[in-house]
Amino acid sequence: EIVLTQSPGTLSLSPGERAILSCRASQSVPTNSFAWYQQRPGQAPRLLIHGTSTRAPGIPARFSGSGSGTDFSLTIARLEPEDFVVYFCQQCFGPPYTFGQGTKLE
Amino acid sequence: QVQLMQSGLALRKPGASVMVSCKASGYSFSAFGLNWVRQAPGQGLEWMGWISPINGITKSAQNFQGRIALTADTDTAVAYMELRSLVFDDTALYYCARDFSQSPVGLPAYWGQGTLVSVSS
Repeated sequence: EIVLTQSPGTLSLSPGERAILSCRASQSVPTNSFAWYQQRPGQAPRLLIHGTSTRAPGIPARFSGSGSGTDFSLTIARLEPEDFVVYFCQQCFGPPYTFGQGTKLE
Repeated sequence: QVQLMQSGLALRKPGASVMVSCKASGYSFSAFGLNWVRQAPGQGLEWMGWISPINGITKSAQNFQGRIALTADTDTAVAYMELRSLVFDDTALYYCARDFSQSPVGLPAYWGQGTLVSVSS
C-alpha cells in the first residue's frame, strides 16, 4: 500500500499570501496518477488537480500542482477567503488508491 | 450534468450489514468506473473500493476484503456497496464518486452527496 504523508497538518496564512502544501509518497507514483482535492465543511471533496499538474474543469488558475516520484506539492498563488479549508492528496497508481491525511489551511 | 444520488441515512447495530445505493445520471453509466470512499466524523478520506460497471471488475482495500461487496446494475444505472459485519468504527459518511475519465481509474471526480451510516447498539 502506498502511504501518502501530507505536511504541514495545519498551515496558518493570510488572504493574499501564497500557500504551498506538500505530499510525500512511500513509493514512487507516476505523475498521471496523482491528484489533489479540496473539501469544504459539510461538502463532498472537489477535484482540484489531476495528473499532478492539470487543473480540473472550473478550477481557478491560482491553484497549481507540481512534483514527481515521491514528492508532490499544491500551490495556491494568492489565497482567497474561501480557500481556507482542507486539502487532500491522492494516488491512483496501485490499489488501494490512498489519500493523504489532509492539510488544514487556516 | 453528471449526478450521483445516494440512498439516505442508515442506522445499524454491530454485526449487521448495510447496503448503500448510488443512482447515476447525466452520462453513460457503463463507461466510467465508480469509487467508494468513506469519511469518519472529523477524519480524513478512506478509499474503499472501485467497480467497473461494464464488466463488474472490482478492486477493494485490504481493510475491507471479505466484508465489502460492490455491484452495479447497468439497466438501472445504480451502483451498490454492501458492507457486512459492521462495527462501531464503520460509522462514517459513505460517498460514491465517478472516475474523472476512463484512464487512469481510481480518480474520483464527481461525487454523490454522501450517505451517513451510523453503527450503534
